[in-house]
Amino acid sequence: DTGVSQNPRHKITKRGQNVTFRCDPISEHNRLYWYRQTLGQGPEFLTYFQNEAQLEKSRLLSDRFSAERPKGSFSTLEIQRTEQGDSAMYLCASSQEGGSYEQYFGPGTRLTVT
Amino acid sequence: GESVGLHLPTLSVQEGDNSIINCAYSNSASDYFIWYKQESGKGPQFIIDIRSNMDKRQGQRVTVLLNKTVKHLSLQIAATQPGDSAVYFCAENGNDYKLSFGAGTTVTVRA
Repeated sequence: DTGVSQNPRHKITKRGQNVTFRCDPISEHNRLYWYRQTLGQGPEFLTYFQNEAQLEKSRLLSDRFSAERPKGSFSTLEIQRTEQGDSAMYLCASSQEGGSYEQYFGPGTRLTVT
Repeated sequence: GESVGLHLPTLSVQEGDNSIINCAYSNSASDYFIWYKQESGKGPQFIIDIRSNMDKRQGQRVTVLLNKTVKHLSLQIAATQPGDSAVYFCAENGNDYKLSFGAGTTVTVRA
């Protein structure tokens, strides 16, 4: 399977714990995006990488959130001191610069904070 | 603020009939629009896209119409099948990277 993959698919954590999610984009894509989706809503943009450079962060991305893409390939999204309001589906997408604007999404990581 | 939205949150359609899903956008600078389909527990799946210099684009069983005068986008699905049951999102891309999504329309196909 050469699509976007995300791990884990599900994560249940207690409030105050730290969690880290991983995204592996399509191999030839140099752009990588993180979105958050809550129940009944469309995905909301969080942040975006071009190669290893993080080019924009949404106001939704509080100081407790950090994303990295150290080698321009896979990316991690860490949430520190999780809160119940962080419960959501975290989606990763990738695209190729210079190609179609189409973004290919992974299956998402569903986070539940208890 | 500027946003992309859908007219109706739910749509029930008889199997074999045509479906029309509508979307209104407010950012007149948007130059690219995409329709995504999302099934339960999965990420959004690309259906079809259209650039702002086009009025209509057709794919397999799907057609997207863009009316820039009234900032309206629609997705038509021909001969709707049970496998078309999902949530459909329109999204805009105004500046080459992030997508802005509407809230989605849940399509239910009746047998």
